[in-house]
Amino acid sequence: QLQLQESGPGLVKPSETLSLTCTVSGGSISSSSYFWGWIRQPPGEGLEWIGIIHYNGNTYYNPSLKSRVTISVDTSKNQFSLKLSSVTAADTAVYYCVTKKSGSGWYDYWGQGTLVTVSS
Amino acid sequence: QSALTQPASVSGSPGQSITISCTGTSSDVGGYNYVSWYQQHPGKAPKVMIYDVSNRPSGVSSRFSGSKSGNTASLTISGLQAEDEADYYCSSHTSSSTWLFGGGTKLTVL
Repeated sequence: QLQLQESGPGLVKPSETLSLTCTVSGGSISSSSYFWGWIRQPPGEGLEWIGIIHYNGNTYYNPSLKSRVTISVDTSKNQFSLKLSSVTAADTAVYYCVTKKSGSGWYDYWGQGTLVTVSS
Repeated sequence: QSALTQPASVSGSPGQSITISCTGTSSDVGGYNYVSWYQQHPGKAPKVMIYDVSNRPSGVSSRFSGSKSGNTASLTISGLQAEDEADYYCSSHTSSSTWLFGGGTKLTVL
């Protein structure tokens, strides 16, 4: 059974870059069977899909965030990461790392989520 | 891309049935059978309750069912129980190879 755990700073200053890492256990991030991704939820609001990556490097991003987002994979550490540049208060949210099986349309494993606050 | 449209809230008494709708377009809900539904209790990560429009993952109660007609998908919960009180989100694959979520529906069990 896959387990996902987010890590990273809980506070980021405006205009800086938000960086989060998701550590995967119970499976290999190099598996062709999975996509790895990020979903966020501003306090008191709904879910927003950020993007996903396959270990072969194929990425898909939310068009509204595409210019600021980079998702990458580190196979040596069995981790994947999220970078969101030029953040503002609107990027304050709980960030979840997620995974879905290739060819499926649902996210079956979620991390516990980590709150990132953008404030000076 | 705009979020899928869900009612902000629904309510029902224990034992009753409720239905939550999720309306999109032919480029998402209407065009694919990759519609899923997630349940989220306060402070917890979402949990998938329905995938591929009408399939239940192992361990999810048969009281939860899903369907789709045109550009609108629906989640029905029968025999409401207090533990069903939560936020529910629909999600769909899109023609741009991205995913959309609905705005969420707060279910209150009276």
